[in-house]
Amino acid sequence: AQSVTQPDIHITVSEGASLELRCNYSYGATPYLFWYVQSPGQGLQLLLKYFSGDTLVQGIKGFEAEFKRSQSSFNLRKPSVHWSDAAEYFCAVGPSWGTGANNLFFGTGTRLTVIP
Amino acid sequence: DGGITQSPKYLFRKEGQNVTLSCEQNLNHDAMYWYRQDPGQGLRLIYYSQIVNDFQKGDIAEGYSVSREKKESFPLTVTSAQKNPTAFYLCASSSQVDTEAFFGQGTRLTVV
Repeated sequence: AQSVTQPDIHITVSEGASLELRCNYSYGATPYLFWYVQSPGQGLQLLLKYFSGDTLVQGIKGFEAEFKRSQSSFNLRKPSVHWSDAAEYFCAVGPSWGTGANNLFFGTGTRLTVIP
Repeated sequence: DGGITQSPKYLFRKEGQNVTLSCEQNLNHDAMYWYRQDPGQGLRLIYYSQIVNDFQKGDIAEGYSVSREKKESFPLTVTSAQKNPTAFYLCASSSQVDTEAFFGQGTRLTVV
């Protein structure tokens, strides 16, 4: 069965520190992987996505993620966190073949707190 | 600017009443979706539509209804049959052949 696990419900980091948010997935076919960010009371904004090619992908706002097939992981990283990065982060997995987003599976999210 | 507009941002409903949430997109996407978000549960798919005049139930369709009379619009009605309607509702759209979803800003529904 398809699933996405974000093992960390809440992470607190100091401003300027590095960040890694974990995402593990279970998917029966070649996955299409996403990271979205949600500020309080807002919709979801796409940070980055991976389908094929280089396993290290760059996104907006200085984020990057690395796809590791052997570990079924797609962890999100940022070398230096800014106070404005405080938000909730969602990992999602879907089919690589095109059927629209109705088969997109979301993790339960990781809430990031940034302390000055 | 292209995007998805949800209205209203906040909505209050008395128990036993139906209420309709609006979602409009100008991205020229064929597919549209409604998700429900509760704390600690991620996003759950309520209904989706891949083409005008057609829609499908998602994982938690009971107590909800939708229509898709125009490509740009996909309103969601929360009926009195929905046992626990207080939640944050997100509308999204995508092309038919792409898995990437684009989201609106959400509507927070509170039953009073």
